[in-house]
Amino acid sequence: DGGITQSPKYLFRKEGQNVTLSCEQNLNHDAMYWYRQDPGQGLRLIYYSQIVNDFQKGDIAEGYSVSREKKESFPLTVTSAQKNPTAFYLCASSIYELAQHFGDGTRLSIL
Amino acid sequence: GQQLNQSPQSMFIQEGEDVSMNCTSSSIFNTWLWYKQDPGEGPVLLIALYKAGELTSNGRLTAQFGITRKDSFLNISASIPSDVGIYFCAGQEAGTASKLTFGTGTRLQVTL
Repeated sequence: DGGITQSPKYLFRKEGQNVTLSCEQNLNHDAMYWYRQDPGQGLRLIYYSQIVNDFQKGDIAEGYSVSREKKESFPLTVTSAQKNPTAFYLCASSIYELAQHFGDGTRLSIL
Repeated sequence: GQQLNQSPQSMFIQEGEDVSMNCTSSSIFNTWLWYKQDPGEGPVLLIALYKAGELTSNGRLTAQFGITRKDSFLNISASIPSDVGIYFCAGQEAGTASKLTFGTGTRLQVTL
């Protein structure tokens, strides 16, 4: 079945450590997105990519980095510069009409 | 970045009741989307609206794209226990290609 796969489901990070969250889609969508969700809040855009080898910063990009080397993959790295990384991270993809389809998320916690 | 104002923030209703929620913005939007999120999962798209005044249904759900292009409404008729969850509106602001802005969510609880 087509869809978006995020892994791992749960991730723990030590202070000063970088971690990478995986997002893979087999929907043949051009655009992919990363969002952060905190309790009681909506989704905030971290980075997005409309095409392979190109990506743009969203509203809260500081402390995060991404790459888009393949159409189906859009990994997110949470760097040590992100001082409050504990959150639920959601990856999404879409074709031109913007109706974004989401993965099931990765919950990141700090040890 | 802007977040959309969504109301109510939460609601408790009895099974069988109808539900209404809305989403407003200070700026004009070209697209409105409504999502539902269950705990620990990603949001699932319910309804997409692309034209001012558009009224679209998906089973017991009906959503409308406000004619001012600054608001949208979602109605759920005859609620059932599995309607429990958080409902998010999202929209594409005019002049911001490929980016969505999300509302803060409406948490729905259904009692038997």
